[in-house]
Amino acid sequence: DVVMTQSPLSLPVTLGQPASISCRSSQSLVYSDGNTHLSWFQQRPGQSPRRLLYKVSNRDSGVPDRFSGSGSGTDFTLKISRVEAEDVGVYYCMQTTHLITFGQGTRLEIE
Amino acid sequence: QVQLQESDPGLVKPSETLSLTCTVSGGSISTTNYLWGWIRQPPGKGLEWIASIYNGGTTYYNPSLKSRLSISVDMSKNQVSLKLRSVTAADTALYYCARDPVMVGAPSDGFDIWGQGAMVTVSS
Repeated sequence: DVVMTQSPLSLPVTLGQPASISCRSSQSLVYSDGNTHLSWFQQRPGQSPRRLLYKVSNRDSGVPDRFSGSGSGTDFTLKISRVEAEDVGVYYCMQTTHLITFGQGTRLEIE
Repeated sequence: QVQLQESDPGLVKPSETLSLTCTVSGGSISTTNYLWGWIRQPPGKGLEWIASIYNGGTTYYNPSLKSRLSISVDMSKNQVSLKLRSVTAADTALYYCARDPVMVGAPSDGFDIWGQGAMVTVSS
């Protein structure tokens, strides 16, 4: 099974400051077609998860451009350029190259 | 606009079978470019993928749950169903169904549309 490890698990951030979440996989997520099937989700309090990014860096429709994704192989990062109040919630990475597994989640809060 | 709505089984007794149905509206479940999946979230914890099904045929199961699982589709009703046998308190969770875009011959791109979730409690 592919294990997805996120860090940090808790992320206090000042409004307007950047934030960064790391996600590491126990195996390479590069598929034979050359694509890397890693996506990021946001779960606001009391809501269903929402996909933000897919294939590492492709932003979903309606997702603000302050969210960006990068990485390759086994090492990936979600960055928020300037945190806003509406960004509070838990962020998950998920791989779909080898079945499906989620990271443990990173709780972003405003300090 | 595609929407997903999970049924609400509520309380299930230990050792019994949990049955969930997801009704898809605003789109056909027989569309070839999507998997349909189930994900659960125990209270206060993270997300766990359970199972996915492609166009009424190919199924994928979480290896840790596979022996107790069955996923199916009913295209006439535009529904995806999940059965989890021999439940215990550890199966208490919010159960989501979700759509997962996929290109033929490639892994999927991650769940892009989610239902609101159905809370299932396993207790006698």
